[in-house]
Amino acid sequence: KNEVEQSPQNLTAQEGEFITINCSYSVGISALHWLQQHPGGGIVSLFMLSSGKKKHGRLIATINIQEKHSSLHITASHPRDSAVYICAVSDDGGATNKLIFGTGTLLAVQP
Amino acid sequence: EAGVTQSPTHLIKTRGQQATLRCSPISGHTSVYWYQQALGLGLQFLLWYDEGEERNRGNFPPRFSGRQFPNYSSELNVNALELEDSALYLCASSLWRGTSGGTDTQYFGPGTRLTVL
Repeated sequence: KNEVEQSPQNLTAQEGEFITINCSYSVGISALHWLQQHPGGGIVSLFMLSSGKKKHGRLIATINIQEKHSSLHITASHPRDSAVYICAVSDDGGATNKLIFGTGTLLAVQP
Repeated sequence: EAGVTQSPTHLIKTRGQQATLRCSPISGHTSVYWYQQALGLGLQFLLWYDEGEERNRGNFPPRFSGRQFPNYSSELNVNALELEDSALYLCASSLWRGTSGGTDTQYFGPGTRLTVL
């Protein structure tokens, strides 16, 4: 079993829809990261959070430390949101600073 | 402010050769990370350097090595290349506040696509 699991693996949505991507992890963490990877490989860090909720534009990330679960929400989705979204966790305490990645969710938003 | 830069963008080598990939972190960042993204395998942690020292290493053979220079730029060397080393190699940089300070956001470069023929 992977230490970081994401669901769904693939997601197709219509423009304007509300989208949720889920991430569960089984290890102790110091932080959880949501990353966006566009075709061609470039990765952008969307959020780093260790508790609660963060919002940036149409993106919202939440984390429940007790349940070891995080969600990434996209409101009013747009075709330019089409990308792979990757959940990653940093090890507990930051001693190794190693990121453990989920396998990613491929999102396609159709106009 | 310039982001993380990597060179070359693409690199083609043959089996048994050596590859050298380079990374320049964001100004002020002391930590550099290397990741491998092979087709179908997702991102995997390779190496972490901070202040010139190797701090952590992923589950990769010793053929994968690197170093960090005094200006915090970094090199990843892959010796005795094998076909399965073909992948996108991503570098990231961050501040690091020490073991008690916790982690910080990692900023990724555009990657070097290595093809081994």
